[in-house]
Amino acid sequence: GAGVSQTPSNKVTEKGKYVELRCDPISGHTALYWYRQSLGQGPEFLIYFQGTGAADDSGLPNDRFFAVRPEGSVSTLKIQRTERGDSAVYLCASSVQGTSTDTQYFGPGTRLTVL
Amino acid sequence: DAKTTQPTSMDCAEGRAANLPCNHSTISGNEYVYWYRQIHSQGPQYIIHGLKNNETNEMASLIITEDRKSSTLILPHATLRDTAVYYCIAQGTSGGYNKLIFGAGTRLAVHP
Repeated sequence: GAGVSQTPSNKVTEKGKYVELRCDPISGHTALYWYRQSLGQGPEFLIYFQGTGAADDSGLPNDRFFAVRPEGSVSTLKIQRTERGDSAVYLCASSVQGTSTDTQYFGPGTRLTVL
Repeated sequence: DAKTTQPTSMDCAEGRAANLPCNHSTISGNEYVYWYRQIHSQGPQYIIHGLKNNETNEMASLIITEDRKSSTLILPHATLRDTAVYYCIAQGTSGGYNKLIFGAGTRLAVHP
């Protein structure tokens, strides 16, 4: 069956521009997570959605980062006024219910490069 | 959530068992041990998790010591496709959801 998909796979932008990264979770999964992974490091939690609501956005680094999930399925991570330090792979994961022992299924990520 | 310590890298010959250790000496009673792996240019992939008892599935076995301060992930017959970074995560159940906190992991190289 279809897994988690993310688009685009690669995004190159210039410093100061606005970008949107899209995540399509596995159908029927109510929980959705965004992580960010810098080169040589493990993924770092950004935000967790349960349905349409952001249940935990404690990992968002600052107010330039925002994410939505208006219909409880597809999610978009939005980054305003991008900085070179935002360059990373942005990973999305989904799970059935979001309980503490739910398996998270990850997408392949979007590689963001800010020039 | 408990901090985990893993070796930076390990090697394994193809066809042999790969034993990946993880220390989680500050783990608390309700924290599970999870293992994920990440093959180059892919997203992390769930392998296995456990609380107290040893666990086995089609991918691997997880051995947790009686005091729960350490664990070992065992890939019984490693193949070249098992070359990846392996993450051990000790995660609590507070909040009712699973916010994975990854460390740097162990880079496993399986060679012919």
